Amino acid sequence: SQQGEEDPQALSIQEGENATMNCSYKTSINNLQWYRQNSGRGLVHLILIRSNEREKHSGRLRVTLDTSKKSSSLLITASRAADTASYFCATDVEGGKLIFGQGTELSVKP
Amino acid sequence: KAGVTQTPRYLIKTRGQQVTLSCSPISGHRSVSWYQQTPGQGLQFLFEYFSETQRNKGNFPGRFSGRQFSNSRSEMNVSTLELGDSALYLCASSLESGGINEQFFGPGTRLTVL
Repeated sequence: SQQGEEDPQALSIQEGENATMNCSYKTSINNLQWYRQNSGRGLVHLILIRSNEREKHSGRLRVTLDTSKKSSSLLITASRAADTASYFCATDVEGGKLIFGQGTELSVKP
Repeated sequence: KAGVTQTPRYLIKTRGQQVTLSCSPISGHRSVSWYQQTPGQGLQFLFEYFSETQRNKGNFPGRFSGRQFSNSRSEMNVSTLELGDSALYLCASSLESGGINEQFFGPGTRLTVL
């Protein structure tokens, strides 16, 4: 069963624009992690945000977490063509067992 | 540090056969988790190992099993392969168990069952 739902399922933007992806989940979490995947390859870890944190930054990435709404968002600023990938949120609910959403496919056009 | 490595990268098997996949975690990481990714079901948790013990298990049949060695390397085995086992199998390593730390993934093993 899927814990997380991501929105939108697909997003197409121009280089330089910002991209925002949202993730909602159903149960209490220990932490939430965001990953990037290029064309069926391995997952690249982007950011981990703990349940007692509200916002984290890493370079052009900003992640927010609202535990009262059971939702998180990933913002990529000044997108580049190289950011084209699928983005997944994963919630940790059972100490190490990650439950993934279906992902958002981001396409950044040059 | 070298990342998570998985071998082999690609594998083709026929129904009824069994397969063993290998995962070497990042040096110093003691927890290894396995996930299956398919177009239909997405990414699903298989199991987690820490200190050679299975700590957590997903909802998969008993044909899926794993183990972890004293050097933290892990193997997963799938017996009596079915067509539906065709998937990308991903291994992830973490410093400790318990969901405290980030999980870093390897490149995956793509298994095709004919």
